[in-house]
Amino acid sequence: SAVISQKPSRDICQRGTSLTIQCQVDSQVTMMFWYRQQPGQSLTLIATANQGSEATYESGFVIDKFPISRPNLTFSTLTVSNMSPEDSSIYLCSVEEQRNEKLFFGSGTQLSVL
Amino acid sequence: GESVGLHLPTLSVQEGDNSIINCAYSNSASDYFIWYKQESGKGPQFIIDIRSNMDKRQGQRVTVLLNKTVKHLSLQIAATQPGDSAVYFCAETPMDSSYKLIFGSGTRLLVRP
Repeated sequence: SAVISQKPSRDICQRGTSLTIQCQVDSQVTMMFWYRQQPGQSLTLIATANQGSEATYESGFVIDKFPISRPNLTFSTLTVSNMSPEDSSIYLCSVEEQRNEKLFFGSGTQLSVL
Repeated sequence: GESVGLHLPTLSVQEGDNSIINCAYSNSASDYFIWYKQESGKGPQFIIDIRSNMDKRQGQRVTVLLNKTVKHLSLQIAATQPGDSAVYFCAETPMDSSYKLIFGSGTRLLVRP
């Protein structure tokens, strides 16, 4: 399976600032996704990161708040903009290999906003 | 610290016993299901998957059962070990959104020594 490196692994940020999370995969993958896991809850899909084009956002998530880049088939970034304490969550990068529907996840970025 | 699993239902089992974790899924049109294990401070780890044309699939020490009639999925872990302690999530893929996984609420498994 693909090896997914996500950084930072955790951060503590001030309200109103922005944080960019990086996801690097050791092989080319067809699909990359970003998920959010709020404290004590399950995972919610934020968006699909499309290579070379704008990301596809799920209901409740917008590009201005969560801009995403995917310049190639192995790398993506998620920015959490103008953060508030409600953004405190674990943010997870996931990838799908060869369209087989099996998603693999990075170790996540635990974000705390003060 | 890690906050995953704070408010999740918990299953406590004795080491060596079998564990059964249940999940009710929402979409009768879903055709692919996955169980994930999430340990503290880590991302979800793939355990086993099953397609809707099957009702049972076995892996190493794990078995997934699918009952489409009542939209129920279960994960059975044989001879539960301390290393099995984690939060377990089921996930489904609707047939019309083949790349979108919808996750269940999760169950925390605690293994007593």
